[in-house]
Amino acid sequence: NAGVTQTPKFRILKIGQSMTLQCTQDMNHNYMYWYRQDPGMGLKLIYYSVGAGITDKGEVPNGYNVSRSTTEDFPLRLELAAPSQTSVYFCASSYDPGIQPQHFGDGTRLSIL
Amino acid sequence: QQQVKQSPQSLIVQKGGISIINCAYENTAFDYFPWYQQFPGKGPALLIAIRPDVSEKKEGRFTISFNKSAKQFSLHIMDSQPGDSATYFCAAAGSGSSASKIIFGSGTRLSIRP
Repeated sequence: NAGVTQTPKFRILKIGQSMTLQCTQDMNHNYMYWYRQDPGMGLKLIYYSVGAGITDKGEVPNGYNVSRSTTEDFPLRLELAAPSQTSVYFCASSYDPGIQPQHFGDGTRLSIL
Repeated sequence: QQQVKQSPQSLIVQKGGISIINCAYENTAFDYFPWYQQFPGKGPALLIAIRPDVSEKKEGRFTISFNKSAKQFSLHIMDSQPGDSATYFCAAAGSGSSASKIIFGSGTRLSIRP
């Protein structure tokens, strides 16, 4: 089982560029999440989705956008990249986070220079 | 009311010792409390989880102790090994209408000295 797959694993962007971080899961989970983790810090929720076509903001949504057209995919879009967006980004999915755990991908390490 | 406070921020334990990480929550609607383990370069992975209807859950060397009245829970790692060196996150989540969100603690970086 692949679980949660994130691409790319690493990326360097210039200030002002845009990119999309890809996330796909093969567990038929309705709940999907995007987090960012700064060095030595915890997880901050950027956006989440409770099902296809439904998304909502988390703790730190500014500068990001998401879409959820299918159950499997939950891409995260960075518009006008800024140095403050340098971080490791994790995608996660869950059947129901109040009952079962979240499954995380291995992250995308993004540097904005 | 949505915070989960985790301590200590970092912890150094001798091999064979007991590692203890504590968490406290505020929202009584939380009813699922997982612990995640994260190794460098990897995403967090579930280690062990508990529900508030039990006061303790043990899986191998890992034990969660839960105090519902104090709204606190802790992770105990017995006979700590160098391979346990990782960052540990506690979390709290609610089922039903609040199931969309899970709140993470700030993490504890554990180092086991050989």
